[in-house]
Amino acid sequence: DAGVIQSPRHEVTEMGQEVTLRCKPISGHNSLFWYRQTMMRGLELLIYFNNNVPIDDSGMPEDRFSAKMPNASFSTLKIQPSEPRDSAVYFCASSTQYSNQPQHFGDGTRLSIL
Amino acid sequence: QKEVEQDPGPLSVPEGAIVSLNCTYSNSAFQYFMWYRQYSRKGPELLMYTYSSGNKEDGRFTAQVDKSSKYISLFIRDSQPSDSATYLCAMSPISSGSARQLTFGSGTQLTVLP
Repeated sequence: DAGVIQSPRHEVTEMGQEVTLRCKPISGHNSLFWYRQTMMRGLELLIYFNNNVPIDDSGMPEDRFSAKMPNASFSTLKIQPSEPRDSAVYFCASSTQYSNQPQHFGDGTRLSIL
Repeated sequence: QKEVEQDPGPLSVPEGAIVSLNCTYSNSAFQYFMWYRQYSRKGPELLMYTYSSGNKEDGRFTAQVDKSSKYISLFIRDSQPSDSATYLCAMSPISSGSARQLTFGSGTQLTVLP
């Protein structure tokens, strides 16, 4: 079975540039989560969707961050403009909509902003 | 104060040792408890999941929950070098039915020496 697929695996770019991270959830999962992981703050939830609709974006750090889920099989997290403090590993996870089901994580995008 | 506290380690043990990993929490609303394992440069993967106080066993792994003390533990018996990873506790409140928002501990880095 294909798991959660994220791309790119690594991204290095200069500050001020636009960054787009992509996620394909597990087929049949209708909840999708974006997380950010840093040494200082650990794993933090940024935003999550149910049935392609954003439910809670209170974890999105600033207006520079935006996320979309145009269909059930694709989501993007965009940072514009990027800053060095955005450097982190960004994970996407998916689950079914039922509350007792676990979240399955992708292998993340390692983002470095120079 | 963080809602979930976890000793970051690092923890180093000899092969065959019993490992104890712990988290404390402050939010009484947390009712579901999980342990994730994260290998280097990979996403977290679910190890154990429980929603009741007491013990749950799965092979060499035992998850223990004490809601009265707001304390959870993961025990690993007969530890193996392949158990070397970062272990994250995660928890969430009862959900009305939609996908659950998880709050993660900061993770404990474990090394099992051959």
